[in-house]
Amino acid sequence: DTAVSQTPKYLVTQMGNDKSIKCEQNLGHDTMYWYKQDSKKFLKIMFSYNNKELIINETVPNRFSPKSPDKAHLNLHINSLELGDSAVYFCASSQDGMGINNEKLFFGSGTQLSVL
Amino acid sequence: ELKVEQNPLFLSMQEGKNYTIYCNYSTTSDRLYWYRQDPGKSLESLFVLLSNGAVKQEGRLMASLDTKARLSTLHITAAVHDLSATYFCAVDELYGNKLVFGAGTILRVKS
Repeated sequence: DTAVSQTPKYLVTQMGNDKSIKCEQNLGHDTMYWYKQDSKKFLKIMFSYNNKELIINETVPNRFSPKSPDKAHLNLHINSLELGDSAVYFCASSQDGMGINNEKLFFGSGTQLSVL
Repeated sequence: ELKVEQNPLFLSMQEGKNYTIYCNYSTTSDRLYWYRQDPGKSLESLFVLLSNGAVKQEGRLMASLDTKARLSTLHITAAVHDLSATYFCAVDELYGNKLVFGAGTILRVKS
């Protein structure tokens, strides 16, 4: 059973479209995250949710909207896709929120988004 | 499918001691990364290892890569409290553009 699963694995779409990436964790964790992997393979946090509440919202364009229907799911919806949105997006979860003792992250397999 | 295993998953060590974190991966790859994560922060890139036998050092940390053994090590020399963090290795899928992460090693350095 995959601990953190995200779908789709690959997403190719045209500029201007709206798309969603889904993430689910079956670890019973309270906190979930979205990271963006840039061209230098550096992962930058975008959002963090703890028990369905938004905790971290880095300077991400308003076109990106996370949605957490319950603490096991954190979906990422992107409106009006732009070329610069092309990247790999990783979902992750942890038992506690960042800054608390057990901050180890469990990563999903990533979604490679290509905007044409 | 590429799998990445790190061990140990948790490491508690005294200041001044040396230790090594291991990262094994299951299929051929030509690029391996080590990241550090501090509480409340994004992952920070420590090292990128691009070839067999590559060795990189920064302060008290030294990383090496053996592509034949599919093994990377992160060696900590004379640990200090500031090194307490979670360390991830990640491997580039060959012909892919995605990283596969290890489970992470929580390092706690005690005074």
